[in-house]
Amino acid sequence: AQTVTQSQPEMSVQEAETVTLSCTYDTSENNYYLFWYKQPPSRQMILVIRQEAYKQQNATENRFSVNFQKAAKSFSLKISDSQLGDTAMYFCAFMASSTNAGKSTFGDGTTLTVKP
Amino acid sequence: DAGVIQSPRHEVTEMGQEVTLRCKPISGHNSLFWYRQTMMRGLELLIYFNNNVPIDDSGMPEDRFSAKMPNASFSTLKIQPSEPRDSAVYFCASSLRTVIEAFFGQGTRLTVV
Repeated sequence: AQTVTQSQPEMSVQEAETVTLSCTYDTSENNYYLFWYKQPPSRQMILVIRQEAYKQQNATENRFSVNFQKAAKSFSLKISDSQLGDTAMYFCAFMASSTNAGKSTFGDGTTLTVKP
Repeated sequence: DAGVIQSPRHEVTEMGQEVTLRCKPISGHNSLFWYRQTMMRGLELLIYFNNNVPIDDSGMPEDRFSAKMPNASFSTLKIQPSEPRDSAVYFCASSLRTVIEAFFGQGTRLTVV
């Protein structure tokens, strides 16, 4: 079974600054996907970024980027130029390639507050 | 596409009553998931379907919970009888093998009093 750990229950950052959210996972699988989802106060779960484990290059989506360290089983999310709209709960998720698409294991989440 | 559609968005019911939550997945997606989110337990997978067939229901808490997917465009999660500890946000999500990630609905906030 896979586990996903987010060790930072809450974080805050000043607007326009950079923040990094941590995530570690444990698995015996070799092929898998990792995700960061954002859940704003509206409750909607929104995919922020996705990383395929077989890719060495870190994924980037505009202001969002990841630092994927496969050997260390670490998958952190960096948000650059933080905006007030980034205030949300962020979930790290793991999905083994061998399982049904979309069947993911989620961490407990990190609540991020962007301060003006 | 309208995305995954869940109804109702909010439900308040009395203990002992039957509750039915509904989900319409994204057209063309062949996998559907029901998750429950609580402060204490985070986001838990309750059950998932592949091509309308339940594949894994090991996350369903007890016999009071049941889920059906009569066709590719509709699923229900039923709780009978409901209890206060069932209060949570219930999410439905759908996916397609070639898309990989799951797309979530806006959730149903259930309050059992």
